[in-house]
Amino acid sequence: QITLKESGPTLVKPTQTLTLTCTFSGFSLSTSGVGVGWIRQPPGKALEWLASFYWDDDKRYSPSLKSRLTITKDTSKNQVVLTMTNMDPVDTATYFCAHSPPPFSNYWNYWGQGTLVTVSS
Amino acid sequence: DIQMTQSPPTLSASVGDTVTITCRASQSISSWLAWYQQKPGKAPRLLIYKASSLESGVPSRFSGSGSGTEFTLTISSLQPDDFATYHCQQYHTYYTFGQGTKLEIK
Repeated sequence: QITLKESGPTLVKPTQTLTLTCTFSGFSLSTSGVGVGWIRQPPGKALEWLASFYWDDDKRYSPSLKSRLTITKDTSKNQVVLTMTNMDPVDTATYFCAHSPPPFSNYWNYWGQGTLVTVSS
Repeated sequence: DIQMTQSPPTLSASVGDTVTITCRASQSISSWLAWYQQKPGKAPRLLIYKASSLESGVPSRFSGSGSGTEFTLTISSLQPDDFATYHCQQYHTYYTFGQGTKLEIK
């Protein structure tokens, strides 16, 4: 049974760096074709893909946010970590991590519950 | 960037109706399209992938079609549990979502 759960701060100040952790179980990020993605959703707005980490250590970033994002993995802890620099109030959103199945599917069939991050001074 | 445009933004329907939601891509994405259902305060749920493949466990009243730039999600015989927001997502070039269609009870 695949599960994912996001963790991190609920409140960050403008210009600070956000670090979110996705802790997963029920699959291995070493399995060929598997990926973990980060997707966010501002209140009342559309979903936006941010970044993905793949089984072969490939990483992809949203072109519009690439300069602010870093995605890494900790295999021993079954975690994928997303950092986003220079946070702004427009980055207030629910942040989800999600599993993309093999073979390198790039849609997401299991999602975490999401974590709401508010950016405010 | 590939832009995804969903229509209508809001759709009112009754239990038992059949409804169709459209998603248009700004350029051809072949069949690299997924549909999700989302309820308030919850994560999206995958319904359809590769434009027309039904995800395991999803009721057969959900169906998807299309290729290239125009796609549809059809829900037959609406059930009370189907009233939610529906999102399309392309995964041809990077990954982008439509703005969502809210399906409301008439």
